[in-house]
Amino acid sequence: TQLLEQSPQFLSIQEGENLTVYCNSSSVFSSLQWYRQEPGEGPVLLVTVVTGGEVKKLKRLTFQFGDARKDSSLHITAAQPGDTGLYLCAGPSGGYQKVTFGTGTKLQVIP
Amino acid sequence: DAGITQSPRHKVTETGTPVTLRCHQTENHRYMYWYRQDPGHGLRLIHYSYGVKDTDKGEVSDGYSVSRSKTEDFLLTLESATSSQTSVYFCAIKRASGGAFTDTQYFGPGTRLTVL
Repeated sequence: TQLLEQSPQFLSIQEGENLTVYCNSSSVFSSLQWYRQEPGEGPVLLVTVVTGGEVKKLKRLTFQFGDARKDSSLHITAAQPGDTGLYLCAGPSGGYQKVTFGTGTKLQVIP
Repeated sequence: DAGITQSPRHKVTETGTPVTLRCHQTENHRYMYWYRQDPGHGLRLIHYSYGVKDTDKGEVSDGYSVSRSKTEDFLLTLESATSSQTSVYFCAIKRASGGAFTDTQYFGPGTRLTVL
């Protein structure tokens, strides 16, 4: 079973601060995805990274896939209250029929 | 929006009673999934379906069964609900993105189930 561990589990910061969330595994993944989930809703895909070392930017969010394709990070610059939510990393499993989700990082950005 | 609805959205039931949750999609996607979400565990796969009458177990399938008699509907049944099955349940479909390893999951709004 491929496991994805995320850290930290909880993060509470002030508006305007920077933060980094990590997603780690002992297994190699062909790709990793990041989803964001707002309270009372289902997760929504933010980005997919497929190449070791790849960096993708989505406005103030920067996603990186580790060179060995075992880890990924999400960096948020100048966090805003609208960034509040649960961030989940995910990777394909079971012959690509299934997805393994990480344990999640709950982010609270205080105005 | 992938046209996914779940019913009911909220349910309170008692230990030992059967419960069925329904997921409905409008886009004829082949793959459908049931997850449960609990604090500190992210999303854990219960069962999934890869076609009508084709289903398989996920990592936390004990105590759950599923059925898919039509492409658009995927039912999750708790045969005899227990307090440990109190959770938020999400249904999802998989939509191909056109690239390798990049399929996207789209989720329904969730069902909050409380077993007393």
